[in-house]
Amino acid sequence: ETGVTQTPRHLVMGMTNKKSLKCEQHLGHNAMYWYKQSAKKPLELMFVYSLEERVENNSVPSRFSPECPNSSHLFLHLHTLQPEDSALYLCASSQDSTGTGELFFGEGSRLTVL
Amino acid sequence: QQQVKQSPQSLIVQKGGISIINCAYENTAFDYFPWYQQFPGKGPALLIAIRPDVSEKKEGRFTISFNKSAKQFSLHIMDSQPGDSATYFCASGSARQLTFGSGTQLTVLP
Repeated sequence: ETGVTQTPRHLVMGMTNKKSLKCEQHLGHNAMYWYKQSAKKPLELMFVYSLEERVENNSVPSRFSPECPNSSHLFLHLHTLQPEDSALYLCASSQDSTGTGELFFGEGSRLTVL
Repeated sequence: QQQVKQSPQSLIVQKGGISIINCAYENTAFDYFPWYQQFPGKGPALLIAIRPDVSEKKEGRFTISFNKSAKQFSLHIMDSQPGDSATYFCASGSARQLTFGSGTQLTVLP
């Protein structure tokens, strides 16, 4: 496997379910990110982890809970979501979280909340 | 959060034509301006990037023009090809603080 891989690619869940999105990067990077992509809207940065430490949390509701157990893996735990949370969730990594590094994105997890 | 305003929302160009996408930013502290390209079903990928110490950067058919005083930058795709059909996002900032535009869906007709 190369690059950034995300699973599952598609997820349908009810508002009372608990699910998790997984991201794995094989690039040896030190920073990982979660972005939310909704149609016709800018990519929204949700969380940034640098060397497994959360360094950014852009006022994301607590129903989204990130976890970074090591520099290669990133999870987004989901619980009691709302229909407006339906979107494409993109994971990305970069060499580090400072400066102007290139972001490498995964293909995303398409989430539908019923 | 500082915004990046991108236009047009969608663009249709004939094969061989020039595609132009524009962006305007607000935060003068940012010093990195990348463009990302996203094909359906894929994540965005870096296409080309510029720093404000130069006014233009060219890579093959893709050129970024940068106007620091106007706080604007644009992507020009010369000799557009059907394979260029994708969504293009501009951004400004640093890797940690990238602010993205809302995207331009480009369609190049054969």
